[in-house]
Amino acid sequence: AQSVAQPEDQVNVAEGNPLTVKCTYSVSGNPYLFWYVQYPNRGLQFLLKYITGDNLVKGSYGFEAEFNKSQTSFHLKKPSALVSDSALYFCAVRANAGNNRKLIWGLGTSLAVNP
Amino acid sequence: GAGVSQSPSNKVTEKGKDVELRCDPISGHTALYWYRQSLGQGLEFLIYFQGNSAPDKSGLPSDRFSAERTGGSVSTLTIQRTQQEDSAVYLCASSLSGTETYEQYFGPGTRLTVT
Repeated sequence: AQSVAQPEDQVNVAEGNPLTVKCTYSVSGNPYLFWYVQYPNRGLQFLLKYITGDNLVKGSYGFEAEFNKSQTSFHLKKPSALVSDSALYFCAVRANAGNNRKLIWGLGTSLAVNP
Repeated sequence: GAGVSQSPSNKVTEKGKDVELRCDPISGHTALYWYRQSLGQGLEFLIYFQGNSAPDKSGLPSDRFSAERTGGSVSTLTIQRTQQEDSAVYLCASSLSGTETYEQYFGPGTRLTVT
């Protein structure tokens, strides 16, 4: 069965430091991977996606993520965190083969960037 | 351009009453999704519409839940005989196509409280 795991409920990082939000997945076949962000009192926003090609994908607000097939991971990263990055981050995966094509969502990781 | 809109933004109802939640997707988007997000939880898939195809209703939690999409645009999620466990934020999203590579655009959600 398809699944997504975000092993950390919360990540705390100091402003200016690099941040990583972890995501691992399990799908049959090659995955399509997505990161979304939910700012306080605002809707979910698309950040970036991996479909194929270069394993390092760049997205909005300076975020990037690296697809690692051997480790079945798609960790979200940013070289220098901002206080305004504090939000809830969701990883999602969809298989590109088989009968189950629904997007499967992680439970989210709350990122707190401290000034 | 206009994003996904949802109404009402907040709904308080008494247990046993029926409620209707509305979603206006982005113009031209053929795929529409309904999710439920409970406090501190991830996204729970409810139902998916793609063009004129039969909707994927596999996520609806009970037969009290139903949804329709008229004219390939506006969608209404109906919850009959509401229960307290139905209290959650109901999110609608649309995408350009149901093809797996397209990101979803989310509305602000409807916060449903069943008393």
